[in-house]
Amino acid sequence: QITLKESGPTLVKPTQTLTLTCTFSGFSLTTSGVGVGWIRQPPGKALEWLTLIYWDDDKRYSPSLKSRLTITKDTSKNQVVLTMTNMDPVDTATYYCVHRGGGDAFDIWGQGTMVTVSS
Amino acid sequence: DIQMTQSPSSLSASVGDRVTITCRASQSISSYLNWYQQKPGKAPKLLIFAASSLQSGVPSRFSGSGSGTDFTLTISSLQPEDFATYYCQQSYGNPRTFGQGTKVEIK
Repeated sequence: QITLKESGPTLVKPTQTLTLTCTFSGFSLTTSGVGVGWIRQPPGKALEWLTLIYWDDDKRYSPSLKSRLTITKDTSKNQVVLTMTNMDPVDTATYYCVHRGGGDAFDIWGQGTMVTVSS
Repeated sequence: DIQMTQSPSSLSASVGDRVTITCRASQSISSYLNWYQQKPGKAPKLLIFAASSLQSGVPSRFSGSGSGTDFTLTISSLQPEDFATYYCQQSYGNPRTFGQGTKVEIK
């Protein structure tokens, strides 16, 4: 059974850097084809894809946020870490960690973690 | 970026109704189209991948069709637990993009 769980701060100040950790189980990020990504959703709004890291350490970023995002993996800990710099109130959202499954869809989602950006 | 446009943005329907939601891509995405269901306060759930493949465990009343730029999600007989917001998402190009969502409400 695949599970993912997000952890990190619930409140950050403007201009600060956000660091979120996704801890997963039920699969290995060393297995060919596997990927883990991040998707966010501002309150009452649609989903926005942010980034994805693959088993071979290939990384993809949303072009509009690429300069602010970094995704890394620690296969020994079964973790993926998202870093987002220069946080702004518009970045207030629920951040989801996701498993890339067959058909290149996001088949398993974490419960999400709400991050508020406010001074 | 590939833009995904869903219609309608919301709809009201009754239990037992047949419901169809459409999703249009701004360029051809072959069959790289996925559908998700999201209930309030919950993470989205994958329903359909690769335009028409039913995700394991998803009831057969859900179906998907289309290719190229035009896609549909159909619920053959709406059930009380199906009232939710539905999103399409393309996995053809980067960035992966989602539609704006379609909220299915009780009539």
